[in-house]
Amino acid sequence: KAGVTQTPRYLIKTRGQQVTLSCSPISGHRSVSWYQQTPGQGLQFLFEYFSETQRNKGNFPGRFSGRQFSNSRSEMNVSTLELGDSALYLCASSRDRVGAGANVLTFGAGSRLTVL
Amino acid sequence: GDSVTQMEGPVTLSEEAFLTINCTYTATGYPSLFWYVQYPGEGLQLLLKATKADDKGSNKGFEATYRKETTSFHLEKGSVQVSDSAVYFCALHMEYGNKLVFGAGTILRVKS
Repeated sequence: KAGVTQTPRYLIKTRGQQVTLSCSPISGHRSVSWYQQTPGQGLQFLFEYFSETQRNKGNFPGRFSGRQFSNSRSEMNVSTLELGDSALYLCASSRDRVGAGANVLTFGAGSRLTVL
Repeated sequence: GDSVTQMEGPVTLSEEAFLTINCTYTATGYPSLFWYVQYPGEGLQLLLKATKADDKGSNKGFEATYRKETTSFHLEKGSVQVSDSAVYFCALHMEYGNKLVFGAGTILRVKS
């Protein structure tokens, strides 16, 4: 069973540019979430998509956006990059069944973004 | 708001030593609790979970018990190996948001 696939794994951008990261969830998983991991702030929730709709959003500026396609694949975009956006961006998917603890999130390996 | 507090690291142990990583949480409802592990250069892997009070999660020799009375979910292992060296994250999950709230992570280093 294939896991969560994130592309690209590594990328380097300069300030002011924009970047798009892609996430393919586990087959059958309809929920996709994004997290940012930095040494200073740790792991922070960005947003969650379910059936092409953003269902939940963390406390990030509007430069961070995302979308989900009908096949559940998701992309996140960061515009007008800043040095502080350098981070590991993790995608996670889940089935989203109802029931306590049923929504176990499975993470991808991440996309490491460096902003120069 | 919901939050998770982990003991600060790094924790350095000799091989076969006993491991405890403390984790406490604050939540308005009844969260599920998780331990995730991150090896160098990789994403997060689920280590174990517990969905209600007094549940014990276990995997690969690691254990943690969901203690509602102390709002804790401490991670333990009886005998660590060099291969256990990694960063360990405690997290809580609330159903309504389908999101994880993570602790800061604890670096574990095991020496041979």
